[in-house]
Amino acid sequence: DQQVKQNSPSLSVQEGRISILNCDYTNSMFDYFLWYKKYPAEGPTFLISISSIKDKNEDGRFTVFLNKSAKHLSLHIVPSQPGDSAVYFCAASMNRDDKIIFGKGTRLHILP
Amino acid sequence: KAGVTQTPRYLIKTRGQQVTLSCSPISGHRSVSWYQQTPGQGLQFLFEYFSETQRNKGNFPGRFSGRQFSNSRSEMNVSTLELGDSALYLCASRGGYNEQFFGPGTRLTVL
Repeated sequence: DQQVKQNSPSLSVQEGRISILNCDYTNSMFDYFLWYKKYPAEGPTFLISISSIKDKNEDGRFTVFLNKSAKHLSLHIVPSQPGDSAVYFCAASMNRDDKIIFGKGTRLHILP
Repeated sequence: KAGVTQTPRYLIKTRGQQVTLSCSPISGHRSVSWYQQTPGQGLQFLFEYFSETQRNKGNFPGRFSGRQFSNSRSEMNVSTLELGDSALYLCASRGGYNEQFFGPGTRLTVL
């Protein structure tokens, strides 16, 4: 049972444009959400997070939006750069001591 | 601070053997989680240890086990290896906040 779903296995975006990665979750008890980025042969690196008490969190080119009623979150990258080409994982947990559940990832290709 | 380290980086085993993977968390971090990554399945949670106790557990068979030592270093053991156990095994440590910091992983190939 996939509690965190990333329905797009891959996404291609032109350099300089906005990349929007989507994530849906089924467990309404999740209250903390994270995005990770992974390059081949490396472990995932933390990008940005959001608590369920917020609906938006911004860090430089990265913004995460949370829609609790729709159980949906998205990661916006503006502007997209070649180095953004990687696999992006959405993750969620119920509290800070709970396990963190990951989605299957979306491979982002930034086109020149 | 040094990051999360995992040893070995690569491992080749045959079916039926057992394997032990090691993870050293970031200094001061008491939580260590293990994940299995396979193509198309994302990161699947195996278990988490905190202060030498298993705090959370995923849905893996009993062949997968772990432990944590008093210095927070953790080991993961897989017994009676199967072909489907071939994967990248990732370890992550967590400090005072919810963000996890991952190691580079151990690539296990079962022949």
